[in-house]
Amino acid sequence: GAGVSQTPSNKVTEKGKYVELRCDPISGHTALYWYRQSLGQGPEFLIYFQGTGAADDSGLPNDRFFAVRPEGSVSTLKIQRTERGDSAVYLCASSRGGSFTDTQYFGPGTRLTVL
Amino acid sequence: AQSVTQLDSHVSVSEGTPVLLRCNYSSSYSPSLFWYVQHPNKGLQLLLKYTSAATLVKGINGFEAEFKKSETSFHLTKPSAHMSDAAEYFCVVSDQGGRDDKIIFGKGTRLHILP
Repeated sequence: GAGVSQTPSNKVTEKGKYVELRCDPISGHTALYWYRQSLGQGPEFLIYFQGTGAADDSGLPNDRFFAVRPEGSVSTLKIQRTERGDSAVYLCASSRGGSFTDTQYFGPGTRLTVL
Repeated sequence: AQSVTQLDSHVSVSEGTPVLLRCNYSSSYSPSLFWYVQHPNKGLQLLLKYTSAATLVKGINGFEAEFKKSETSFHLTKPSAHMSDAAEYFCVVSDQGGRDDKIIFGKGTRLHILP
């Protein structure tokens, strides 16, 4: 079956602009996770959804970052007033259950470059 | 609170020789431990996971890992390396049942396979 997909695969923007990154999870997976991976580092947890609600958003670095999952399927990560330090690969994953112990299936990521 | 340390940022082995990727963790509760692999331009893929059942865990592609509570280690091994094993490997820890459940990725170990 189809895996997790993320669009766009690459996004280049200018400092101060607004961006949206989209994630399509595996059909039927109730949990969806967002991570950020900077160069040379492991993925860093940002937020996860159980259904439509954000179950844990403690990893969001500041209030410029926001994510939604209005119908419990597709999710959008939104970044306002982008900064050069936001440049990274943004990863999305989904799992059947909502526990961190469940196997997560990752998408290929969106590479964000802020000039 | 939990943390994870991957002791080597790079490991080089010859094809056909054993692989050892080291990982140490700390956890306040009962940890779940994972190893993920990331091939260039591909999404993260789960190799194996430990969730308090058998301490020796077998994964895909001939990899296995042993949970050693006394040493707080979860090293990844494979008896014989193959060229296709060249990739980045991440050790991951998550607490089960803690009030402050988090998922933490290590910084990664890049495995190089020499012909």
